[in-house]
Amino acid sequence: IAGITQAPTSQILAAGRRMTLRCTQDMRHNAMYWYRQDLGLGLRLIHYSNTAGTTGKGEVPDGYSVSRANTDDFPLTLASAVPSQTSVYFCASSDSGYQPQHFGDGTRLSIL
Amino acid sequence: AQSVTQLDSHVSVSEGTPVLLRCNYSSSYSPSLFWYVQHPNKGLQLLLKYTSAATLVKGINGFEAEFKKSETSFHLTKPSAHMSDAAEYFCVVSEKKGSQGNLIFGKGTKLSVKP
Repeated sequence: IAGITQAPTSQILAAGRRMTLRCTQDMRHNAMYWYRQDLGLGLRLIHYSNTAGTTGKGEVPDGYSVSRANTDDFPLTLASAVPSQTSVYFCASSDSGYQPQHFGDGTRLSIL
Repeated sequence: AQSVTQLDSHVSVSEGTPVLLRCNYSSSYSPSLFWYVQHPNKGLQLLLKYTSAATLVKGINGFEAEFKKSETSFHLTKPSAHMSDAAEYFCVVSEKKGSQGNLIFGKGTKLSVKP
């Protein structure tokens, strides 16, 4: 079944550690996105990529980095995790920047 | 600047009764509007979309929404709620700015369905 695969599904991490959340899509979509979802705040865009080789900053990019080496993969890295990064992270993709997005099932990340 | 306001954080209905989830938006451009549903521990799934064609949009699972430009609203409705409709619903506005679109999510409405 076509879609987005995120890994891991959940993780508990010590503060200060480095962590990479993986995201792979098999729909050949050009655009990919990372969001965080926090209670009462809805979804907020962290970083996006309109096409392979390009990335951009969203609403809350600080403390996160991304890369887009190919069409299918869009990893999100926390260089040095802090407790405020405890959240549920969703990866999404779309044909273009203003088309409906398809979402993965999320990664639940707890920073202690 | 664009924004989305979901007027109710929580709506509770009885099974078999109508559902109304309210959404107002503001946009400087011609917007596209979407409703997404999120079941517990799952990602968001597209319910329906409005992209300047018919103002009454039909989606999956019996949901529909009407775009009312004069009221800047895009309310989601369903004639008869089912237990499986219990979930969180997000109204989303998209503006096309050059080659980059920008999705703005509402804060969500949690729908509870009582037997």
